[in-house]
Amino acid sequence: SAVISQKPSRDICQRGTSLTIQCQVDSQVTMMFWYRQQPGQSLTLIATANQGSEATYESGFVIDKFPISRPNLTFSTLTVSNMSPEDSSIYLCSVAWPDVGAFFGQGTRLTVV
Amino acid sequence: KQEVTQIPAALSVPEGENLVLNCSFTDSAIYNLQWFRQDPGKGLTSLLLIQSSQREQTSGRLNASLDKSSGRSTLYIAASQPGDSATYLCAVGPRLNKQGGSEKLVFGKGTKLTVNP
Repeated sequence: SAVISQKPSRDICQRGTSLTIQCQVDSQVTMMFWYRQQPGQSLTLIATANQGSEATYESGFVIDKFPISRPNLTFSTLTVSNMSPEDSSIYLCSVAWPDVGAFFGQGTRLTVV
Repeated sequence: KQEVTQIPAALSVPEGENLVLNCSFTDSAIYNLQWFRQDPGKGLTSLLLIQSSQREQTSGRLNASLDKSSGRSTLYIAASQPGDSATYLCAVGPRLNKQGGSEKLVFGKGTKLTVNP
């Protein structure tokens, strides 16, 4: 298993600004995953963060809007840039191993006003 | 493309009832299936992981079954308690090849459970 610390837990931001979400894992992992959960919806994968290389983005998500850093094997950040009210969601980071399962941080509840 | 459906979307039961949550998936080529619990505005807590070769997993009052051929999984909660109130999500991990699975999960929309005292 893994313990994942994510912060901030929640924030209210003005439109046009950016927010950086941090994710710390208690063990070294090759890949970290960032998800978005819009109100009333399920989780959608934004991107996979690989240490030492560019993040891999899913269809519909772009690096300019959601830049990701992965400076080492235990830490990653996701930035939500130039925010609009449509970006109001819960953002979650995760680690996963097919034989062990997936584990999630506490989530960041973002409200854009 | 894998699609995961959870029925019902919401369920309200009195305390003490046994209940079943359903999850179905369209592509049977899965490596595993995982059930999660999510409290309002929070992250996900892993409940049970079932590998594709397994039929069921149990943890305390929870029992999850998997029928890969029919594309179905159920989560059985015995003697429900108000503390069980949460949204329950199932997610499938696709099979990549004969040896392994993908870490990228496909989620259902969840079942919101309310257990009334």
